[in-house]
Amino acid sequence: NAGVTQTPKFQVLKTGQSMTLQCAQDMNHEYMSWYRQDPGMGLRLIHYSVGAGITDQGEVPNGYNVSRSTTEDFPLRLLSAAPSQTSVYFCASSVQVNTEAFFGQGTRLTVV
Amino acid sequence: GIQVEQSPPDLILQEGANSTLRCNFSDSVNNLQWFHQNPWGQLINLFYIPSGTKQNGRLSATTVATERYSLLYISSSQTTDSGVYFCAVEGGTASKLTFGTGTRLQVTL
Repeated sequence: NAGVTQTPKFQVLKTGQSMTLQCAQDMNHEYMSWYRQDPGMGLRLIHYSVGAGITDQGEVPNGYNVSRSTTEDFPLRLLSAAPSQTSVYFCASSVQVNTEAFFGQGTRLTVV
Repeated sequence: GIQVEQSPPDLILQEGANSTLRCNFSDSVNNLQWFHQNPWGQLINLFYIPSGTKQNGRLSATTVATERYSLLYISSSQTTDSGVYFCAVEGGTASKLTFGTGTRLQVTL
């Protein structure tokens, strides 16, 4: 059981570039989510999904896009990277809403 | 939305000391978790504890849901306990975990 796997671990982008952060889980969890963590702060929710084909916005969705075509995968797309998107990104999954969440190891993204 | 406050924000302990970290939340919750973020940035699940008391080795946690707080106890602290401890809650119809800003713990020799 790999749990929640995020790739890449580190990424540097130029302003205006696009990229996809990958997230996969092998626990057959229905609920998946993306958070960002900025220095000195807790994590803030970007987007979430309660099951395949269903996604919704969190607190800070602007500049990000998601889709959920399978139960296992929940990629996060940055459409046109900006320096304000420099952050550490975490993907999480849980059996369903209001159950224990498990986090991936994070992706450290720098936009220059 | 639900507010989460953690105290103290910073804590320095000598190895072997005990400590209590507190998490207050502003509304009823269906989910409360404690995490340890280690110096490498990994978020490690410590407890899933929407109510009651749990223990795992030197760590234990208590959530008093009716009074809207949770406590994390660390006994006989070790240098490997250093890092940031986060409390996160999920409440009402919200489909998200709301995180506190954490308690930064440093354990020294």
